[in-house]
Amino acid sequence: EIVLTQSPGTLSLSPGERATLSCRASQSVSSSHLAWYQQKPGQAPRLLIYGASSRATGIPDRFSGSASGTDFTLTISRLEPEDFAVYYCQHYGSTPLTFGGGTKVEIK
Amino acid sequence: QVQLQQSGPGLVRPSQTLSLTCAISGDSVSTNSAAWNWIRQSPSRGLEWLGRTYYYASKWYYDYALSVKSRITINPDTSKNQFSLQLSSVTPEDTAVYYCARLGNYMDVWGKGTTVTVSS
Repeated sequence: EIVLTQSPGTLSLSPGERATLSCRASQSVSSSHLAWYQQKPGQAPRLLIYGASSRATGIPDRFSGSASGTDFTLTISRLEPEDFAVYYCQHYGSTPLTFGGGTKVEIK
Repeated sequence: QVQLQQSGPGLVRPSQTLSLTCAISGDSVSTNSAAWNWIRQSPSRGLEWLGRTYYYASKWYYDYALSVKSRITINPDTSKNQFSLQLSSVTPEDTAVYYCARLGNYMDVWGKGTTVTVSS
């Protein structure tokens, strides 16, 4: 099973600042099968990034993803008020599909 | 536009069977280009993939998480274009929000979630 470790657990930032979220895989993961989700309270996760770096339909270009080996990064270039939420990475290339533990981006 | 509509009880007694249904609109449960998944979320376990079903080369396939493999069944229903989750012998640890989701090239469509509480 591929374990995804997200860091930090919580990120305290102000609107307009840059957010950098990390996801590290316990073993090699195809970049083609790594996704990022945003989740707000009471809602289902919303797909932001798939294939490590491709934005899903309707996702603003301030969201970007990158990969380096087993390390994956989600960057939000300038935080908008609606971006404060919990973010999860997910591997979906093989079973079992797994999720990271999440990073909460909170208002400082 | 693909949508998933979940239904099922929000309260299940311990040792009983949890049953949820996910109705599909805008796609077919028997498509060759997607798998139909169940995922749950709880404070203690986070987001946990439970299993999936998909149709390929005229045959149905099923994959289940090891943690629930002895208790889980996912069934497609082509007549109603939906799929279901059954989880037997539930305990309070199965209390969670349950989601259905489509996985094509990526997991882009989710149901709204059903909060299931296991309690007597």
